Amino acid sequence: DQQVKQNSPSLSVQEGRISILNCDYTNSMFDYFLWYKKYPAEGPTFLISISSIKDKNEDGRFTVFLNKSAKHLSLHIVPSQPGDSAVYFCAASPAGGTSYGKLTFGQGTILTVHP
Amino acid sequence: NAGVTQTPKFRVLKTGQSMTLLCAQDMNHEYMYWYRQDPGMGLRLIHYSVGEGTTAKGEVPDGYNVSRLKKQNFLLGLESAAPSQTSVYFCASSYSSLKFETQYFGPGTRLLVL
Repeated sequence: DQQVKQNSPSLSVQEGRISILNCDYTNSMFDYFLWYKKYPAEGPTFLISISSIKDKNEDGRFTVFLNKSAKHLSLHIVPSQPGDSAVYFCAASPAGGTSYGKLTFGQGTILTVHP
Repeated sequence: NAGVTQTPKFRVLKTGQSMTLLCAQDMNHEYMYWYRQDPGMGLRLIHYSVGEGTTAKGEVPDGYNVSRLKKQNFLLGLESAAPSQTSVYFCASSYSSLKFETQYFGPGTRLLVL
């Protein structure tokens, strides 16, 4: 049972345009959400996160939106750059002060930004 | 700082063989984790450690053992490898267990079990 789903395996975007990556979750106990970025032959690196008490969090070109009622989050990259080409994973953490690494990851979306 | 390093980068095993994957971190992190990543699936937690000398089971622990004898090292063992354990293994570490504490990942070990 996939509790965190990224239904788009891949996304192709032109440089300078907006990239929108989507993620859906089913477990209402999740209350903290993260996006990780992964280049080939490297480990994932943390990109941005959002707590369930917020509906938006911005960090430079990256914005994460959370719609709790729809159990949906999205990552917007504006403007997209060729260096953003990577696999993007969303992850969710359950409620409670500590998570002990209990992150549930989605399957990942391959983003390709064309020059 | 090297961050999180993993040894080896790639390994081929025959069914039934054993091996140990080594993870090392130089950030003085208390918490360490082992994940596996399979095609079409996200990373899944195998085992984790909340400090030197401690280990705990994650989501998919069967067929694996771990040890954390030193704070900076976290070992993942396969006693009798099976083809189902063909995967990419990632180690991660974090300063604390708080959910907003970033996990830092190693580059991964690609394991093929024939």
